[in-house]
Formats: sequence, structure tokens, C-alpha cells
Amino acid sequence: EVVMTQSPATLSVSSGERATLSCRASQSVSSNVAWYQQKPGQAPRLLIYGASTRATGVPARFSGSGSGTEFTLTISSLQSEDFAVYYCQQYDNWPPLTFGGGTKVEIK
Amino acid sequence: QVQLVESGGGVVQPGRSLRLSCAASGFTFNNYGMHWVRQAPGKGLEWVALIWYDGSIEYYADSVKGRFTISRDNSKNTLYLQMNTLRAEDTALYYCARGYLGVVGYTFDIWGQGTMVTVSS
Repeated sequence: EVVMTQSPATLSVSSGERATLSCRASQSVSSNVAWYQQKPGQAPRLLIYGASTRATGVPARFSGSGSGTEFTLTISSLQSEDFAVYYCQQYDNWPPLTFGGGTKVEIK
Repeated sequence: QVQLVESGGGVVQPGRSLRLSCAASGFTFNNYGMHWVRQAPGKGLEWVALIWYDGSIEYYADSVKGRFTISRDNSKNTLYLQMNTLRAEDTALYYCARGYLGVVGYTFDIWGQGTMVTVSS
């Protein structure tokens, strides 16, 4: 099973600042990584797939990068609606499809 | 609009069974692989099971293999999860999700709002 490890667990950022979230895979997953955003009381939302392709309707301030075992989600200028928990997910080696433990982006 | 609506959750004693349903609308259901994903209270996401667009192939997480069965009725645009021999650690919010990318849909682009399952004596 591919283990996805996200860091940090919590990221404190001010509105307008840049946020950088990391995700590491226990073995190479090529570029087969997706990112999701989950706000309190809501279902997750697909943001990024293929490590760097934004899903439909996702603002350009969200960008993904990486390949192999190291991946990054960057939010270029945090807006109030971006404070949430973010999960990475691999789909290279399955089953199972596996998620990281999440990074909570909170207001500094 | 594209929508998934789960139902069937509740409080159940350990060892008992429960069946969840997920009604799909706004898209051609039989074109998509479908998944169940769960989230224990205050915890992260865990993939549970997936089923091919035509119901021909299923996969399960090891934690539920042999106890849970995913199925679908394409004539009713409905996805199911039959959960048997429930354990306390199965307590979670269960989401159905539409598969996106590839033959089965390896990511999840549409999610329901979830149905809560609590396993407790």
C-alpha cells in the first residue's frame, strides 16, 4: 500500500499570503496525484489531478507540482474561502486508493 | 444539476448489518465508476470500495473486504453499500463519489453530502 504523508499538519497563514502544502508518497506514484479541499461540514472538492491540472472551476491561484514521491499544492494568495483542510490522494498503485492525513490551513 | 444523495445511515449494534444507498441524478450514471469513501469523526478520508461502470468489477479496502459489498442498479441510477458484521471502527460519515479519470475513475469529482453510520452497543 502506498502511504501518503502530508506536512505540516497545520499551516497558519494570513489572508493574501502564499501557502505551500507538501505531500510525500512512500514509493513513486509518477504524476498520479490529486488534491482535495474540504471545508467544515462539507464534502471534499476536487482541486487538482495529474499532480498539476486544475479541475473545472478551480481558481488559478491553486497550483500543483511534483512527480515521483514529492508533491506540492500552492495557494498563491490566500482568500478567506481557502481556509480549509487539504488532502492529497494517489491513484498510481491501487487498490487501495490512498489519501494523506490532511493539512489544515488556518488563519494566522 | 449533477447530484449524489446518500441515505441509509444510522445507529447499529456491533455485528449487525446496514445498507447504504446513493441516488445519482444529472448525469449518465452507467458511464461512470463509483466509489464509497468514509471519514471517521475528526479524521481523514479513507477509500472503501469501487465498482466498475457496468458493475462487472469491484475492489475493496482490506479493512472492509469480506464484510462489505458494493453494488449498483443502473436502471435506478443507484449505488449501494451492504455492510455486514459491523465494528466500532466502521463508525464514520460515508460518502459516495463519482469516479473521474481512467476506466474506473481513479479520482473523485462529485461527492454526496454523506450519511453517518454509528456502530455502538
